[in-house]
Amino acid sequence: QSALTQEASVSGTVGQKVTLSCTGNSNNIGSYAVGWYQQISHGAPKTVMFGNSLPSGIPDRFSGSKSGTTGSLTISGLQPEDEGDYYCSTWDYSLSARVVFGGGTKLTVL
Amino acid sequence: EVQLVESGGGLVQPGGSLRLSCAASGFIVSSNYISWVRQAPGKGLEWVSVIYPGGDTYYADSVKGRFTISRDNSKNTLFLQMNSLRAEDTAVYYCARDLAGTFAYWGQGTLVTVSS
Repeated sequence: QSALTQEASVSGTVGQKVTLSCTGNSNNIGSYAVGWYQQISHGAPKTVMFGNSLPSGIPDRFSGSKSGTTGSLTISGLQPEDEGDYYCSTWDYSLSARVVFGGGTKLTVL
Repeated sequence: EVQLVESGGGLVQPGGSLRLSCAASGFIVSSNYISWVRQAPGKGLEWVSVIYPGGDTYYADSVKGRFTISRDNSKNTLFLQMNSLRAEDTAVYYCARDLAGTFAYWGQGTLVTVSS
């Protein structure tokens, strides 16, 4: 059971806008920035959103936001190469584990 | 350019030990928070340990007392000493530059397999 809750799967067609969510509580997402990571074919994670920042080289169709205890990753104009697993993380000051991850969302591009 | 390169993974028997290394370039390890994150086969990402710039270290409950994170400032390298290894420690281990639980940079990972 992950500390952060993500959808198990999300799908969309090419060009569509999709939003992935990451829900926590006041001890984690409610207090700290959220990171988002893309993993394709079980390769190394690639950061697609780092707090409110878009890392260098990441297309601007990726955007992030947070409302209360839920973080969101929006992909506007879905592309075939966006298909993969997406994870979120943040810091949690209430747990002995300092960093918590979501269980991951499998994004399928139809 | 920021780069993190892990090494030291391999096959080890249950109860054995292994030391992972993470060589960093493009930034100073001792001035940053650096974490180890692992991913068991077919599973999600799991945070393992972090070392703070001041030297404080923290561990996930699943590895506390068995794993030790450290760094060599002269080599700009991070380490993870893993003792009393169990089958459930089998995973790809990544080092990542950490900022309040978010990670801007990741290494390519090193595979640890615990099996007899």
